[in-house]
Amino acid sequence: KQEVTQIPAALSVPEGENLVLNCSFTDSAIYNLQWFRQDPGKGLTSLLLIQSSQREQTSGRLNASLDKSSGRSTLYIAASQPGDSATYLCASGGSNYKLTFGKGTLLTVNP
Amino acid sequence: EAGVAQSPRYKIIEKRQSVAFWCNPISGHATLYWYQQILGQGPKLLIQFQNNGVVDDSQLPKDRFSAERLKGVDSTLKIQPAKLEDSAVYLCASSFGLAGNEQFFGPGTRLTVL
Repeated sequence: KQEVTQIPAALSVPEGENLVLNCSFTDSAIYNLQWFRQDPGKGLTSLLLIQSSQREQTSGRLNASLDKSSGRSTLYIAASQPGDSATYLCASGGSNYKLTFGKGTLLTVNP
Repeated sequence: EAGVAQSPRYKIIEKRQSVAFWCNPISGHATLYWYQQILGQGPKLLIQFQNNGVVDDSQLPKDRFSAERLKGVDSTLKIQPAKLEDSAVYLCASSFGLAGNEQFFGPGTRLTVL
């Protein structure tokens, strides 16, 4: 059974700082890895999707990497802004492309 | 492009009552998912449809939960009777297909069972 762990559970940084969120998974036989953002009381917004054959994906100030052999993915956020404050969730896509989620990292970017 | 629509956004019921949630996926998306997100946890898949067929319902508590996707478009998720532990956000998502496609989520329905 796939288990996804996200570290840290919460992170508080000053505006402008670069930061890394970590995601690890126990079963490396994944089809993809997806990062989401969730604002309080809202649904999930897809940020980046990395297919199993890819090593990384970039969108604006976000860069996500995937290392299947070690069971790890990282989300790098450059030049953080207060508007980046949210919960970030990673999810691995397994058999039937079912997503298994971590518990998320609560990010607070202070002005 | 319109996103995934869900209603209602909020629902408060007494335990042992029944409740139903509705989801309209993104147009053209064949795959529809229902997730349960308990406070402080990541979403957990309840059921997955491909068109109007069930692909995975292994984590759906079938004694009280049911879901259908008639005509392969809209879907409803029902709980009958509700328990206190069903208090959660119920998220609907859709994707174009199965093969590694990105999932897009609706705003969710926050259910409180008293």
